[in-house]
Amino acid sequence: EAGVAQSPRYKIIEKRQSVAFWCNPISGHATLYWYQQILGQGPKLLIQFQNNGVVDDSQLPKDRFSAERLKGVDSTLKIQPAKLEDSAVYLCASSLVPLGAGGTDTQYFGPGTRLTVL
Amino acid sequence: LAKTTQPISMDSYEGQEVNITCSHNNIATNDYITWYQQFPSQGPRFIIQGYKTKVTNEVASLFIPADRKSSTLSLPRVSLSDTAVYYCLVVGNTGGFKTIFGAGTRLFVKA
Repeated sequence: EAGVAQSPRYKIIEKRQSVAFWCNPISGHATLYWYQQILGQGPKLLIQFQNNGVVDDSQLPKDRFSAERLKGVDSTLKIQPAKLEDSAVYLCASSLVPLGAGGTDTQYFGPGTRLTVL
Repeated sequence: LAKTTQPISMDSYEGQEVNITCSHNNIATNDYITWYQQFPSQGPRFIIQGYKTKVTNEVASLFIPADRKSSTLSLPRVSLSDTAVYYCLVVGNTGGFKTIFGAGTRLFVKA
C-alpha cells in the first residue's frame, strides 16, 4: 500500500513570497490533515478535511494560509505571503475514518515539506 | 483536551527495556491514548493506542492504570534504530475528536 505522498520535499523562499504544498493521501482515506512542525516542537494541527469539507481549521492563520481538497482526494496548502516564522516542516496525514470513529482511525503521515523562509 | 506531560529526553543502552511515562491528569471519560514515533526528516508513525489496562502489539506495550491519569509506553530490548522522538497524545472529543502533540520524549539508544 502506497503511503502519503507530499511534494516538494524542500522549499526555500524569501519573506512575502507565496508557496504551495501538495499532498496525496492514502487511497480511500476520507480524512486528511495538515500539520505544522516547528523545529524542536511537536506537530500542530492546522486544518482537517473530511472528504472535501473542512472539519476543523481553528488553528489555521487564515489571513495568510489557505487549503483546499478538491474532489476529496489531493490537497494543497498555500501560504501567501510567507513570514519568517512560517519556517517549519509541513506534514500531511490521512486516516481511513475521522479520529474517534473506531479502530481504523490511525493517522498515517507523509514525509513532510521543509520550508525555509529567508 | 487533556494536556500531556512526558520527560524531555531519555538515554538507554541496546538490549534494555525502555519505559516512557506520560501524565494526562485531566483525561476525560471518552478520551484515549495514542503513541507515535518520529525519526528525523520523517513524519510521525503510529506505535500503539489504548483506552485502559494493557495493550500489546509487535512493537510495544502500553500500560494504563485504572485512574487513566498516566500511561507508560514500554519498548522491549531497544536497538540503536529505536533512537527517535516519542509522542504521547490524548485523543479527545471537543466538538470532534482532536489530537494535540506535545514536545515529545527524545530517546537516545547507545551501543
